[in-house]
Amino acid sequence: QQQVKQSPQSLIVQKGGIPIINCAYENTAFDYFPWYQQFPGKGPALLIAIRPDVSEKKEGRFTISFNKSAKQFSLHIMDSQPGDSATYFCAAAYSGAGSYQLTFGKGTKLSVIP
Amino acid sequence: GAGVSQSPRYKVAKRGQDVALRCDPISGHVSLFWYQQALGQGPEFLTYFQNEAQLDKSGLPSDRFFAERPEGSVSTLKIQRTQQEDSAVYLCASSLLGEDTEAFFGQGTRLTVV
Repeated sequence: QQQVKQSPQSLIVQKGGIPIINCAYENTAFDYFPWYQQFPGKGPALLIAIRPDVSEKKEGRFTISFNKSAKQFSLHIMDSQPGDSATYFCAAAYSGAGSYQLTFGKGTKLSVIP
Repeated sequence: GAGVSQSPRYKVAKRGQDVALRCDPISGHVSLFWYQQALGQGPEFLTYFQNEAQLDKSGLPSDRFFAERPEGSVSTLKIQRTQQEDSAVYLCASSLLGEDTEAFFGQGTRLTVV
């Protein structure tokens, strides 16, 4: 059972566009929702994270929108640049486990065309 | 070092061989995680340590997988009698303990079983 479903699998946008990546989760115990960026040959790096007590969080060009009732959250990248081309993973965790073990989506490969 | 360091970066093993993968977490990080990332997939949780205690090993796929962190710093993931399905990137992450703490990932060890 896939606990975090991510879409689309791949995405191509032109420079300056606003790619949107969506995730849906099933476990209502999740209370921490980070997004990670991964370049080829590198480990994932945290971009931005949100908790369910807020509906939106913005950091620089990255915005998370969170809909608790729908159990969905999304990542928007404003003014996308070719350097943003990477694979993006949403994830979820719950503090009750004590470990913040992350459950990842399958990833979205983003290509930003100059 | 400044980040999480993993070695070796690449490992080729013959089927049936035992392998050991090393993780040097960020100094002072209490929590340490191992994840397995298959090609084109998101990382999947394997096991979690808090200092030297292995508090969660629910993600280890079989009893051929064993992890340790004897002094609460460096960790080793050992895979016995490797199989082709063990081929993946093995990621280590470390973090401080508590809420809102970022998990920092290493670059991973790419294991290929031939």
